[in-house]
Amino acid sequence: ILNVEQSPQSLHVQEGDSTNFTCSFPSSNFYALHWYRWETAKSPEALFVMTLNGDEKKKGRISATLNTKEGYSYLYIKGSQPEDSATYLCAPHGGGFKTIFGAGTRLFVKA
Amino acid sequence: DVKVTQSSRYLVKRTGEKVFLECVQDMDHENMFWYRQDPGLGLRLIYFSYDVKMKEKGDIPEGYSVSREKKERFSLILESASTNQTSMYLCASSLVLGDYGYTFGSGTRLTVV
Repeated sequence: ILNVEQSPQSLHVQEGDSTNFTCSFPSSNFYALHWYRWETAKSPEALFVMTLNGDEKKKGRISATLNTKEGYSYLYIKGSQPEDSATYLCAPHGGGFKTIFGAGTRLFVKA
Repeated sequence: DVKVTQSSRYLVKRTGEKVFLECVQDMDHENMFWYRQDPGLGLRLIYFSYDVKMKEKGDIPEGYSVSREKKERFSLILESASTNQTSMYLCASSLVLGDYGYTFGSGTRLTVV
């Protein structure tokens, strides 16, 4: 896995809006995909580990889907809150010690 | 509560200084990693270690070295700090990387002047 692209780079939404971002990666040599949330001045925190094509994971208002055949994953946030403001990182993993991180989507939620 | 602890949150060092960044984990993980994060770029792997005294170069090892004398501690060393090493440095550990992902420290923001 060489190229990981996340879009958009940044996103400004109002409190209560629902939003989604994309992670694109080469579909060959795929083992797992991780999503992390990174709040300012804190450690990146694991959100989801996804392995199977068609996987859907949910944690509260946040959910994610995975398409390994076409090489993308979506992260959705329903009813965004100011505490959701963070950088969201995706990290496809190709086996062994090889994880490639995307540059992240920076989310700003305005109250 | 499991933890990865980095010794300093902020550091300012002078060009040419030898700099040590320390990382300790309390989860008995075999695998430990050092990443740097720069604006507009994803986390880039500097070095990793899969066992005591074992180390492997990552994608950007130039100008860095590491030490892992004990399982819980992984140190990143900048032999002669340069301004292009100004960055956020993140330490992480992992049990089985693909299955569990990383547990990260809170980062050290290093400024080299």
